[in-house]
Amino acid sequence: SAVISQKPSRDICQRGTSLTIQCQVDSQVTMMFWYRQQPGQSLTLIATANQGSEATYESGFVIDKFPISRPNLTFSTLTVSNMSPEDSSIYLCSVASGRAREQFFGPGTRLTVL
Amino acid sequence: QKEVEQNSGPLSVPEGAIASLNCTYSDRVSQSFFWYRQYSGKSPELIMSIYSNGDKEDGRFTAQLNKASQYVSLLIRDSQPSDSATYLCAVNEGTSGTYKYIFGTGTRLKVLA
Repeated sequence: SAVISQKPSRDICQRGTSLTIQCQVDSQVTMMFWYRQQPGQSLTLIATANQGSEATYESGFVIDKFPISRPNLTFSTLTVSNMSPEDSSIYLCSVASGRAREQFFGPGTRLTVL
Repeated sequence: QKEVEQNSGPLSVPEGAIASLNCTYSDRVSQSFFWYRQYSGKSPELIMSIYSNGDKEDGRFTAQLNKASQYVSLLIRDSQPSDSATYLCAVNEGTSGTYKYIFGTGTRLKVLA
C-alpha cells in the first residue's frame, strides 16, 4: 500500500487562527479524502479532494471553513479556518485507488484549539 | 439515512479465545465491506476487505458477509492482548462507482491476558 505522510503531526492553535494540514502520498492515487475524528468518536468524512477541481463537501462542512486543495495526484491540503475550540480533533487524510476501493489512512494531525 | 451499526463494547475475551465482532448496514446496494483496526492514538489500519457472500480468511482473521441479511462480521481466532483495539466496520456507499465509505462507531475489544 501507499506510504502516506501528514504535516504537522500535532499543533496547538489560538482561537480565530487558521491551520493548513498537508497530506503527501508516495505514489499517484485516484481518490483522496479528509476525515475528522473527535475524541471517542468514529470517523466523519469532511470532503473528497478532487484533483484539479473544487472539493466535494459532505453535509455540515463548507468550503469557507475547510478549504481544500489538490493540485496533483499525490498531494492535498486541508485548511481549518477561523478555528474555535470545537475544531479540536484529529484530522486524517486517506487515499484510495483501484477496483478494490480500499482506503488507507495517513497518521493523522492532532489539533488542539485554545 | 444510510447507517452502519456496531456494538460499542467493550467486548472482553480471554487470551486464546475467538473474538466475534458484528456489523449491520442499511444500504442494500453496498458492494464492498472493510474492517479497520485502530489502536489508541493511532490512525485506522485496514485489516480485511470482503466483497462476496461467505467467508474470507487471512491468518487469524476471518471476515464473513451475508448481503441478504445486511450483516458483516469479523472473527479473530487465538486472540492476543495485542489485538486489544477499536475495530471499525466500513461500508462502501452505494453502487460500485464510488469510493466513499460509511463508518460504524466501532467496537472496543479487550483481550485479557
